[in-house]
Amino acid sequence: GQNIDQPTEMTATEGAIVQINCTYQTSGFNGLFWYQQHAGEAPTFLSYNVLDGLEEKGRFSSFLSRSKGYSYLLLKELQMKDSASYLCAVRPTTSGTYKYIFGTGTRLKVLA
Amino acid sequence: DTEVTQTPKHLVMGMTNKKSLKCEQHMGHRAMYWYKQKAKKPPELMFVYSYEKLSINESVPSRFSPECPNSSLLNLHLHALQPEDSALYLCASSPGGRSETQYFGPGTRLLVL
Repeated sequence: GQNIDQPTEMTATEGAIVQINCTYQTSGFNGLFWYQQHAGEAPTFLSYNVLDGLEEKGRFSSFLSRSKGYSYLLLKELQMKDSASYLCAVRPTTSGTYKYIFGTGTRLKVLA
Repeated sequence: DTEVTQTPKHLVMGMTNKKSLKCEQHMGHRAMYWYKQKAKKPPELMFVYSYEKLSINESVPSRFSPECPNSSLLNLHLHALQPEDSALYLCASSPGGRSETQYFGPGTRLLVL
């Protein structure tokens, strides 16, 4: 089967660093995506990894290890506005070009 | 223009009503999607259109009927819905190509009474 696991909830303090992990088991692999979703709003694209290694975009970085079926999203210098759900999604090659498999999402609370 | 727009933002309908959700993008994307999302759950794929043709239907009940009039527009026609269909309906589009990053619209919050 296809499975993506993320922690359900995390809490961190403003100004800190938090790492949100995602492990996946899919029939193929053609990219991993991270999205941020504030309550009641649409998911916003954060990052895309298809090769092993770290992709950095400002305060956010995403890492991928294909051999381990593992990714993480690193958020630095946390701000209150980072309180949101973070969705990990994988595009498995065998399910067609256009389909994502989504994880259940990690709800991050940033405390003052 | 890097936006996907959706109308209406909110919709309340009875179980005998017929309504439509609309989605538009002007990014030249060739794939468009409908998702349904319940509270505290990830989005669930409903339909995918690729080059204006339906390419994926995730066994969605026939009371949901998608339509792609042209490459920029996507509609979702609703008829005889059930209260359990109440959810956030998200439209997304993607360029077509290797990365296939999907960009989401703001969603329509639907309540079926």
